[in-house]
Formats: sequence, C-alpha cells, structure tokens
Amino acid sequence: GDSVTQMEGPVTLSEEAFLTINCTYTATGYPSLFWYVQYPGEGLQLLLKATKADDKGSNKGFEATYRKETTSFHLEKGSVQVSDSAVYFCALSDNTGFQKLVFGTGTRLLVSP
Amino acid sequence: NAGVTQTPKFRVLKTGQSMTLLCAQDMNHEYMYWYRQDPGMGLRLIHYSVGEGTTAKGEVPDGYNVSRLKKQNFLLGLESAAPSQTSVYFCASRRGTGGEAFFGQGTRLTVV
Repeated sequence: GDSVTQMEGPVTLSEEAFLTINCTYTATGYPSLFWYVQYPGEGLQLLLKATKADDKGSNKGFEATYRKETTSFHLEKGSVQVSDSAVYFCALSDNTGFQKLVFGTGTRLLVSP
Repeated sequence: NAGVTQTPKFRVLKTGQSMTLLCAQDMNHEYMYWYRQDPGMGLRLIHYSVGEGTTAKGEVPDGYNVSRLKKQNFLLGLESAAPSQTSVYFCASRRGTGGEAFFGQGTRLTVV
C-alpha cells in the first residue's frame, strides 16, 4: 500500500542554519504530496503541497520539489528561525476514488538561538 | 468560520466503557478522516469517508467504528475501550483531489 518514509528526528539546528528534512514515498499512480507542520498542542496545518511531478511547493521560506524519478519530496529552508521549531509531517494522497491521506512519522525540528 | 471542530477535547475512560468522538466541519468537504497520534508513530489512519453514507477502513481500524450519516459530521466510536486506545485523536476534512486537509484541535483520550 501507499506509504511515506521521513527521516527520524530530532533535527537540532542553530538559528539561520540550512534545513533539509528527507521524505520518500511509495505509491501507485500519481499521488499529491504535502508537508504539514504541527506546533505544540495544536492540530496539523498545511505548509506546502505539490500535485504533479516537477512541481515545487513553497511557503514561508520552505520549499519542496516533487521528484517522481526518485520518489522524493524533501523539505528545505535556507535559514531557519527559532519560531520554526515544530514537528513536520510529509504526506501523500492518492488521487483515485479512495482519496486516502497517508502520513509519515513526523520529524521534530528544534532551533536554538 | 469554525473549520473542523472536535468534541470532546479531553476524556478519561475506564477499560470497557464506550464513547463517541464527534467531528464537525462547516466547509462542505466530501472527504473526512480519523487519525490517532502516538509518540514515535506519527499519524495513523483509523477510518475515513469519501462522502455522506460511506466509510472505509484505514491502517488501524480494529476496536473502532465510524458513521457518516450527515455530510458535515463524522463520528468515531469506541465500543469497549482498552488502554491501548490511549492516544490523541485527530479529525480532518478536505474538499477533494489534491486539496488541503484541515485538522481539528485533537481529542486527548486516556483509558485507565
């Protein structure tokens, strides 16, 4: 079945460092790909998305490119801030009638001043 | 605009008790989902629905039942709670293919 694998955390960085969180997926067909962020005590909220191969999603300085050839959707940010500390989830949605939305295990990011 | 609302927010149950978690959305979304979140496990899909009157099993459906009698509501039931069902439960809804999922604030359930 469809699945998402993302790097384990926590990822610990200093402010202004470069961030990469790896995400790879397994899916039949052509899924849509998402990154969600969860702040402490809250539900998940969409960070960015890409719906077809070679699309780049971007938001708040974060970027991810849908790479069909490597089945990857890595999250990057050039300069992290303390306020970016959160848990990041990679997810995919099959685009068939089932519309399952499947998440990875999450990666905790800790940014220190 | 309320978005996705889950009730209750917290609950403590004794083993063997039953309860229903309610998820309500006011965005006219077709698709609704129930997840549980456990440390180190991420979000695991329990059940989902692709429209009013339809439900389907996710990754971890055992011990749970669901109903979608009205488009805006998706109910998750625990018939006989077990300590293994202690978790944070999230409901989500979305419009359709490629669409953003909107999440509720979660329900923290403890089974003792």
